[in-house]
Amino acid sequence: DTEVTQTPKHLVMGMTNKKSLKCEQHMGHRAMYWYKQKAKKPPELMFVYSYEKLSINESVPSRFSPECPNSSLLNLHLHALQPEDSALYLCASSEGRGGMIQETQYFGPGTRLLVL
Amino acid sequence: GENVEQHPSTLSVQEGDSAVIKCTYSDSASNYFPWYKQELGKRPQLIIDIRSNVGEKKDQRIAVTLNKTAKHFSLHITETQPEDSAVYFCAASPPRGATNKLIFGTGTLLAVQP
Repeated sequence: DTEVTQTPKHLVMGMTNKKSLKCEQHMGHRAMYWYKQKAKKPPELMFVYSYEKLSINESVPSRFSPECPNSSLLNLHLHALQPEDSALYLCASSEGRGGMIQETQYFGPGTRLLVL
Repeated sequence: GENVEQHPSTLSVQEGDSAVIKCTYSDSASNYFPWYKQELGKRPQLIIDIRSNVGEKKDQRIAVTLNKTAKHFSLHITETQPEDSAVYFCAASPPRGATNKLIFGTGTLLAVQP
C-alpha cells in the first residue's frame, strides 16, 4: 500500500460538536503530519508526529487536538470549532528515518470540513 | 524563519508550449526543494524534487533548476498538455534539526488551453 488515506472525505459540524478526523498509512512511515489548507492557499503545517510523539505544534488553538495511537494512525480531534476553521485538512507522512536528510512527504486526499 | 515566494500566481499557456514557474527562498541553509501538483479537489502530489547538491534534475517533460547563490529554483514543463492544468506549489525545507518541515510558496494556477 503506497497511499495515505483519510476519513471522512467531507464533514459538516456545528460549533458545539465534537468530531474526529482519521488518517492512516501502511508504508511503514514513522513521521506523520497534519496540515490545514484554505481555498487558493498553500498547505499550512499544524502538527508533526515523529515515532508517535508530538514533535511540532505550530501554535494551533487547543480546539484542535492531535493523537497518534500507533505508527500507522493519526487522528485530529475537533471541538468547539469556529466557522473560520472550515478548510481542507490534509494528512501527510514521511519515512522518519532520522538524521539530517529532508524527506519526501506524501499527502492524503484530505477531509473537507465545514463548520456552521 | 524560511520564506518562499512564488511567481506567477496564474499562468495560461497554449497546449504544446512551455511553462516556467519561479520560486525564491530566504534561508540560505535550506537544502531540499520539492514541487507539488494539486488538481482541483485532489491531494498535493510530488512531481519532482531537488537537493542543494544538484543544479538541475529532469524527469521526462518536467525539469527543475536550482541556483543556490541567487536562492531561487524553477519548474520547467515542456510540451504542455491539458492534463498539466493544476495548481503548482514549490516548497523549501530548512536543515532538518529535530524534524522535517516544508515551507510552501503561494502557488501557481497553470491553465493549459487546448
